[in-house]
Amino acid sequence: GQQVMQIPQYQHVQEGEDFTTYCNSSTTLSNIQWYKQRPGGHPVFLIQLVKSGEVKKQKRLTFQFGEAKKNSSLHITATQTTDVGTYFCMNTGFQKLVFGTGTRLLVSP
Amino acid sequence: SQTIHQWPATLVQPVGSPLSLECTVEGTSNPNLYWYRQAAGRGLQLLFYSVGIGQISSEVPQNLSASRPQDRQFILSSKKLLLSDSGFYLCAWRVGMGPEKLFFGSGTQLSVL
Repeated sequence: GQQVMQIPQYQHVQEGEDFTTYCNSSTTLSNIQWYKQRPGGHPVFLIQLVKSGEVKKQKRLTFQFGEAKKNSSLHITATQTTDVGTYFCMNTGFQKLVFGTGTRLLVSP
Repeated sequence: SQTIHQWPATLVQPVGSPLSLECTVEGTSNPNLYWYRQAAGRGLQLLFYSVGIGQISSEVPQNLSASRPQDRQFILSSKKLLLSDSGFYLCAWRVGMGPEKLFFGSGTQLSVL
């Protein structure tokens, strides 16, 4: 079945350091979406990637879709304490929507 | 505009008691509906999804069930709760299939004691 793994599971950085989470699938992804869940909150949509090799930016966040559409990454430049939370990827295009395992980010001031 | 309502926000239930969590969506028709569960500090486990009234797909063969009695209403139930049913339950919806994004309710924190 569909499996989407994310690494690392957890990362603790100092404010100002960069952060990257990777999303890897055992099968080809249709489209990939990224969500952020703040502590105690619900997941909120960040962005969607559709095309092979696509790169999108949102301020300090850079999202990339692999050429083979089997992996994706989210990179945060110069983290801030507001970036704290868990980041999830998800493969779309199906009725059954399965999220990646998530990466929990902790940022110390 | 579309909104999703999920209640209650928190719930403490004894082992063996029944459960009913309700989720309703406003401002859209024929949404795809989802129930997820999240254990503390863990990922999002898909429990059920529904693409139409009365259509339920189960991903987790446990003591939970789901129903969709109306187009924009999704209910999660249990006849007898287990300790392992504790967690954060999230309802979500989206329009049809394809690249549409998911919108989540604010969640129910369930503690089974």
